[in-house]
Amino acid sequence: SQTIHQWPATLVQPVGSPLSLECTVEGTSNPNLYWYRQAAGRGLQLLFYSVGIGQISSEVPQNLSASRPQDRQFILSSKKLLLSDSGFYLCATKRSDRGTYGYTFGSGTRLTVV
Amino acid sequence: AQKITQTQPGMFVQEKEAVTLDCTYDTSDQSYGLFWYKQPSSGEMIFLIYQGSYDEQNATEGRYSLNFQKARKSANLVISASQLGDSAMYFCAMRESSSGGYQKVTFGIGTKLQVIP
Repeated sequence: SQTIHQWPATLVQPVGSPLSLECTVEGTSNPNLYWYRQAAGRGLQLLFYSVGIGQISSEVPQNLSASRPQDRQFILSSKKLLLSDSGFYLCATKRSDRGTYGYTFGSGTRLTVV
Repeated sequence: AQKITQTQPGMFVQEKEAVTLDCTYDTSDQSYGLFWYKQPSSGEMIFLIYQGSYDEQNATEGRYSLNFQKARKSANLVISASQLGDSAMYFCAMRESSSGGYQKVTFGIGTKLQVIP
């Protein structure tokens, strides 16, 4: 079965500092990968998705970027964090254990920009 | 227009009682799917139940059932015999067709459920 590893679990970063969040997937090959952000008290907003190595699509313009250097690795980055980048970041991939619908999520990274 | 609408920001239910969490959706696709996810305070997203637009029977998974009313575009989650561990945020989500070979899923803003002993 699929497993998604995300780290770190929590992060406090000053405004203007860089960011790198990493997500790796086990138990599947050539997965579709997604980065979502959940602001406090809000739903999930799709930030980026990737259908293969080096293929990144952005859903919303923002201060963040994503990269996929390996098949099962997805990285979310920023060169200079803003206060508005605070939130809960979730990596996800398409579920494979029950049909072909829905996501498996990682445990998330709670980012606070101060 | 909102793709997924959850109008109940918070709900309370007595332990062992049933509760319905509302969800309405908006799509012009003929083929789509609806999900519910549970998010406890730890933050992880837990898949609960899925309903395809062509499924004639309402989906059920243990104590969870999805009351799918296609004409009304509603996909309410029913939790029977609530337990204290059911206290969490619940998100309704919809899968639509998309180009580019990926699964596009849109989430509602969630309903916070609190189970009272």
